[in-house]
Amino acid sequence: RKEVEQDPGPFNVPEGATVAFNCTYSNSASQSFFWYRQDCRKEPKLLMSVYSSGNEDGRFTAQLNRASQYISLLIRDSKLSDSATYLCVVNRGATNKLIFGTGTLLAVQP
Amino acid sequence: EAGVAQSPRYKIIEKRQSVAFWCNPISGHATLYWYQQILGQGPKLLIQFQNNGVVDDSQLPKDRFSAERLKGVDSTLKIQPAKLEDSAVYLCASSPINRDSLYEQYFGPGTRLTVT
Repeated sequence: RKEVEQDPGPFNVPEGATVAFNCTYSNSASQSFFWYRQDCRKEPKLLMSVYSSGNEDGRFTAQLNRASQYISLLIRDSKLSDSATYLCVVNRGATNKLIFGTGTLLAVQP
Repeated sequence: EAGVAQSPRYKIIEKRQSVAFWCNPISGHATLYWYQQILGQGPKLLIQFQNNGVVDDSQLPKDRFSAERLKGVDSTLKIQPAKLEDSAVYLCASSPINRDSLYEQYFGPGTRLTVT
């Protein structure tokens, strides 16, 4: 079993739609959590950190449930520019080691 | 602020040949990481340096891969000899020194390796 598992995707949604990505992690000692965005043939870039209290950045909302070891990302009012792969990432601990999920491809259609 | 620099951007070699990749992290970042990203997968950490010391190389195939960061700044990753399954994008990332596990990692553009 992979340490970080994500929805397989791809997600094809129309502009303006709301889309949700889910992710589970297996190591209960994981300390911090992130969503990274990766455009086609580009490097990953931090989208947002994820906190137990939930956090929002514009159209993006991230949630963490430590008891269920579950992370989510909600994108509201999807834009064409949101098309990318979204990587669920877990930081295992003191060495800042990041464990990446396989990513979920989002394609927003006009 | 200049980002993480990597070279070359693309490399095509035949199996059993050798190849080396170079990375220059963001100025002042003590921690440097090399990742391997195979098509359709997320990046996988190969090796992590803090200054010029190795913090984690548990997933580095040491029979063929080596990496160094001699002066605690730039780094090279070498594969010798290459196998077909080494075809991937090799990403370098850097972050400030680890007092807090929430430090963001900044990625370079990567080197796309094709082994034929």
